[in-house]
Amino acid sequence: DTGVSQDPRHKITKRGQNVTFRCDPISEHNRLYWYRQTLGQGPEFLTYFQNEAQLEKSRLLSDRFSAERPKGSFSTLEIQRTEQGDSAMYLCASSLELQFYSNEQFFGPGTRLTVL
Amino acid sequence: AQRVTQPEKLLSVFKGAPVELKCNYSYSGSPELFWYVQYSRQRLQLLLRHISRESIKGFTADLNKGETSFHLKKPFAQEEDSAMYYCALSRGDFSSNTGKLIFGQGTTLQVKP
Repeated sequence: DTGVSQDPRHKITKRGQNVTFRCDPISEHNRLYWYRQTLGQGPEFLTYFQNEAQLEKSRLLSDRFSAERPKGSFSTLEIQRTEQGDSAMYLCASSLELQFYSNEQFFGPGTRLTVL
Repeated sequence: AQRVTQPEKLLSVFKGAPVELKCNYSYSGSPELFWYVQYSRQRLQLLLRHISRESIKGFTADLNKGETSFHLKKPFAQEEDSAMYYCALSRGDFSSNTGKLIFGQGTTLQVKP
């Protein structure tokens, strides 16, 4: 296990097309997060899964965005009808739930999306 | 609203000089505070968390609830400390704690030889 992996690393698409990203978390981690990072900003939270359940979504996540985590393992993030404003780095992170406080989140390398 | 503010986009110091990266937060409850670091061409990784109260790579950070700050300090900067540093906040109350992180905008630390 080499840590959190994301695929693809880079995606260039035309406005209006659909794109899907994949995240493979560290195998024993039950928590999975998606963040978006634009140039000059810190990562912004998009959504959170505990096992297969999507328990929180940011208001940043419009109806064009959908995320899944079937069977509580890998996760996919789909963006429909992409817009130029969707251009960003999409980061995935995973962690192991601890009883009393937040555990360290391990980040993937990210998928850089460019919408032309 | 939860917010993390890092007032400096760039901090440039000479090797051996002290470093202080500022972080202020806004949160009504008891937060957990973290510093994450991203070295060139590497992924984001945890540097330290206030709960641990440990020193990592010579860096320390103290949570000051009165000033709502969590500044990162190192007495003598090294060239290998050059990186992007993000301060982040998570809810500290376990019952509603998803562990999601609220990040600041980040500060680039440049350590010159």
